[in-house]
Amino acid sequence: AQSVTQLDSHVSVSEGTPVLLRCNYSSSYSPSLFWYVQHPNKGLQLLLKYTSAATLVKGINGFEAEFKKSETSFHLTKPSAHMSDAAEYFCVVMDSNYQLIWGAGTKLIIKP
Amino acid sequence: DTGVSQNPRHKITKRGQNVTFRCDPISEHNRLYWYRQTLGQGPEFLTYFQNEAQLEKSRLLSDRFSAERPKGSFSTLEIQRTEQGDSAMYLCASSSETILATNEKLFFGSGTQLSVL
Repeated sequence: AQSVTQLDSHVSVSEGTPVLLRCNYSSSYSPSLFWYVQHPNKGLQLLLKYTSAATLVKGINGFEAEFKKSETSFHLTKPSAHMSDAAEYFCVVMDSNYQLIWGAGTKLIIKP
Repeated sequence: DTGVSQNPRHKITKRGQNVTFRCDPISEHNRLYWYRQTLGQGPEFLTYFQNEAQLEKSRLLSDRFSAERPKGSFSTLEIQRTEQGDSAMYLCASSSETILATNEKLFFGSGTQLSVL
């Protein structure tokens, strides 16, 4: 069975500093992995996805994620945090029936 | 805006009452999904439709829950005899076989927040 584990329920960084949101996955085959963002009172938005074409994936709003098979990780990073990045972030794996299996989420807090 | 639309945005009800939510997917999307999200958790799959056919239901979907998509367009999710544990955000997402096969993308609505008192 596939699963994802987000290692931090909350991450707090100062504006202008780097962001790291950690995610580990479990899959019996090469998975499709995603990061979604959820801003308050807004729908879930796809940030980026990995589908085996390249291990470093660039997404919207300056985010990127690196797929590391040896570590079964898919951590999300951004060089410089902006206040508008404050939101909840979900790491997601897609199974063979196109169903999404979600992590518990990491709330990103940006300090001014 | 032609995104996924969910109504109502918020619903407050008393325990034991029935509630119904509606989801209007993006036009021509033949796949429609329902998820439930409780505070501090990621969304959990409930059920999905391909056109009007309900192809899969999660064990989370008890007998009190029923979902329909009668004409393969909009969908409704009904909860009978609501319980306090049903309080959650109910999310709808849509896509098509072509979109899923090419870039595996789902389009989400803003959700319906249910509070059972």
